[in-house]
Amino acid sequence: NAGVTQTPKFQVLKTGQSMTLQCAQDMNHNSMYWYRQDPGMGLRLIYYSASEGTTDKGEVPNGYNVSRLNKREFSLRLESAAPSQTSVYFCAGTVNSNQPQHFGDGTRLSIL
Amino acid sequence: AQKVTQAQTEISVVEKEDVTLDCVYETRDTTYYLFWYKQPPSGELVFLIRRNSFDEQNEISGRYSWNFQKSTSSFNFTITASQVVDSAVYFCALKTNAGKSTFGDGTTLTVKP
Repeated sequence: NAGVTQTPKFQVLKTGQSMTLQCAQDMNHNSMYWYRQDPGMGLRLIYYSASEGTTDKGEVPNGYNVSRLNKREFSLRLESAAPSQTSVYFCAGTVNSNQPQHFGDGTRLSIL
Repeated sequence: AQKVTQAQTEISVVEKEDVTLDCVYETRDTTYYLFWYKQPPSGELVFLIRRNSFDEQNEISGRYSWNFQKSTSSFNFTITASQVVDSAVYFCALKTNAGKSTFGDGTTLTVKP
């Protein structure tokens, strides 16, 4: 099983460029999440999708958009990248609220 | 609003010492779920344990134990006889029934030989 797969693993962008981070899971997760992890800040929730067809803002949604394309895929888009968005991005999924999240390996994004 | 506080930013112990990582949470929901995750230096996030808000039974798993106290909104994690391989960042997390998830800022544990 692939689990939760994020692409790309690394990316360097220039300020103002746009980019979509992809996340796909084969674990039958109903809920999917996007987090960013900055040094010493833990994981901060950007957006989540509690079920297919729904998306909700998390703690730090500004500058991002998401699409729950189908049950398997949940993408994160940066329309106009800014240096403050330099971070490690994690996608996660879970079957139900009372179950733990399974995380992808992360995408290390640098914006110059 | 919900919040998870891990007051200990960094802890350093010598191998074989016991260590407790603190977690305090805030939520208005009556049903919620608490989790501990481990992030070793390699960067992946590994699930350790889950607790439901209506289950205050403490749990022991090998060298790991967890103390959930609803009265003080705390979900603390103890490692007994720590080992170098326990060195990692440990995160406490809260999830509501609606699926919204909040993580603490993490505690970096260093176990020295």
